[in-house]
Formats: sequence, structure tokens, C-alpha cells
Amino acid sequence: SAVISQKPSRDICQRGTSLTIQCQVDSQVTMMFWYRQQPGQSLTLIATANQGSEATYESGFVIDKFPISRPNLTFSTLTVSNMSPEDSSIYLCSVVHSGGDTEAFFGQGTRLTVV
Amino acid sequence: GENVEQHPSTLSVQEGDSAVIKCTYSDSASNYFPWYKQELGKRPQLIIDIRSNVGEKKDQRIAVTLNKTAKHFSLHITETQPEDSAVYFCAASLGGIQGAQKLVFGQGTRLTINP
Repeated sequence: SAVISQKPSRDICQRGTSLTIQCQVDSQVTMMFWYRQQPGQSLTLIATANQGSEATYESGFVIDKFPISRPNLTFSTLTVSNMSPEDSSIYLCSVVHSGGDTEAFFGQGTRLTVV
Repeated sequence: GENVEQHPSTLSVQEGDSAVIKCTYSDSASNYFPWYKQELGKRPQLIIDIRSNVGEKKDQRIAVTLNKTAKHFSLHITETQPEDSAVYFCAASLGGIQGAQKLVFGQGTRLTINP
């Protein structure tokens, strides 16, 4: 398993500002992902956080809006930039260990409200 | 890309009865199908998964079946209990290196167990 610490757990932000969410894992993992879960909805993959290189974004998500860093194998950040009320969601990081294990573990999520 | 459809969106069953949730996927290359349970305000947690080389897998009261030809898979919960009440998500993998997989999620099923 993996212990994932995600911060902050929640925040209320003014529109036009940016918020950086941190994800720390207690062990080295192969893959780290960022998902968005809009209120009452399913999870949608935003991007794959690649260590030491640019993240790989899914259709509909762009780097200017959701810049992602992954400086090492245990840490990643997601920034939600120039926020609008439509960005109000839960943002979750997810990790998968190496060695053929495919189980994805999730952080507890960051509940973002933009006012 | 992959698309996962999940039905029903809500399901209400009497305690002790069985519950069945069904999902279909579009990409025949998908090879990993996990099911996640998400309680209110909590992170998604894996409850069972199945790979494309297996037709059925069981873990106590929970079972998953996979029909590769028809591209659908189902979650079966027997002898339901009040603590089974939650939102359940199916997912399909898009493939990846070293067994690490990106997940495409279904829309979710809100399961309510009535005492």
C-alpha cells in the first residue's frame, strides 16, 4: 500500500487567484496522476505527472491552467491557475507502485471552492 | 480514447439482498478493470479488480465478472449490509509501462442499503 499526504485538504479561494496542491508519498512510486472530481460526479484524469519532465495532459486540460511539477519520485504539485467558480471541485492525486503492481491509491483529496 | 459507461446511477436494495452494477468499455485493448468504493467525503478505495485474462474473481461477498467479447464487466455484492452504502466506480485502464495504468472511470453508482 501507500501512504499519501495531500495538502491542503480544503480551501476557499477568490476568483482569479491560483492554488497549489501538494502530494507526498511515503515510498517511491512509478506513476503519479492528478484527477478532478466535480461535485457529485466521477473522476476525470487531468494529467500524468512525470518525474523531471513536463506532465502529460489529457484532452481538455492544458499546462497553462494546471501546471504540474514532479521533482522526484515521491512528490508532486498541481496548481490551479486563474481560478473561476467552475474550478470548484475535489482534486485528487493518485499513485501506482512499480514492479507490475497496478493498484492505484488515492490521496484524501483537496476540496476547492472558488468564490 | 477509452469510454466507460456504468449503470445504474442509483441502486437501492434491502439489507441481505444482492446488488449488481454493470459497466461497458469501448477500447478492446483495455486490460485492467478495478472497482472503487467511495464513502461520503472520503477517498476512493479499491475493493476488487480483474485483469483481462480472467473471467471472474471473488473476494468474500464481492465478485467481479468480465466478458471480453462483449466488453462489459460487473460487480456483484451478496448479503448486502448497511456499511456497503457508498458510491461505487468502475474503471478501465488504458495501458502503460511496468504495469502502471491510467484509469478511465465510469459515472458511478450510488448504492443505498435499506435496513
